[in-house]
Amino acid sequence: SQTIHQWPATLVQPVGSPLSLECTVEGTSNPNLYWYRQAAGRGLQLLFYSVGIGQISSEVPQNLSASRPQDRQFILSSKKLLLSDSGFYLCAWTGGWTEAFFGQGTRLTVV
Amino acid sequence: AQSVTQLDSHVSVSEGTPVLLRCNYSSSYSPSLFWYVQHPNKGLQLLLKYTSAATLVKGINGFEAEFKKSETSFHLTKPSAHMSDAAEYFCVVIYAEGKLIFGQGTTLQVKP
Repeated sequence: SQTIHQWPATLVQPVGSPLSLECTVEGTSNPNLYWYRQAAGRGLQLLFYSVGIGQISSEVPQNLSASRPQDRQFILSSKKLLLSDSGFYLCAWTGGWTEAFFGQGTRLTVV
Repeated sequence: AQSVTQLDSHVSVSEGTPVLLRCNYSSSYSPSLFWYVQHPNKGLQLLLKYTSAATLVKGINGFEAEFKKSETSFHLTKPSAHMSDAAEYFCVVIYAEGKLIFGQGTTLQVKP
């Protein structure tokens, strides 16, 4: 069956520290993968999406980056976190355009 | 550019009265449309989806939505609100090229 794993569920990091959030997908091949961020009181903003290995599209310029080293792995990174990076991060994948699956999310607090 | 607009950021209804959450999307060839609900500190739960079958879609917990291509709308309705319906609701669209876009979200408040 198709599943998506996203970890960690919660994270508290100091300002200036690095970040790595990982998302892996099972039960499919060549999915479209996405990273979203939801700041407090705001909607889900698309940060990055990928249609294949090594192919990353950035929607919002910021100090975050994404990588897709394997077909079913999508990583969100930062070299130095800012306070404004706090929020809820969500990984998703679509197989074609009729199905969407979401991870459980990571709640990041930068202190 | 593709976009999804939820016309109300906040909707307040009394328990037992109808719910209407509005969603419009930018026109595209055969998009797929979804409504998700997010309760506080919980993940996204699929309420219903439209993928080019019947235009009136029935979902879980008494929710339904109607796809109107001419109006590029996909409004979510429920005949009678329950206290447990209080949550954040997201309209989500997958465009033909595979891009997944969220609306801004609508907070539904249900008053006793």
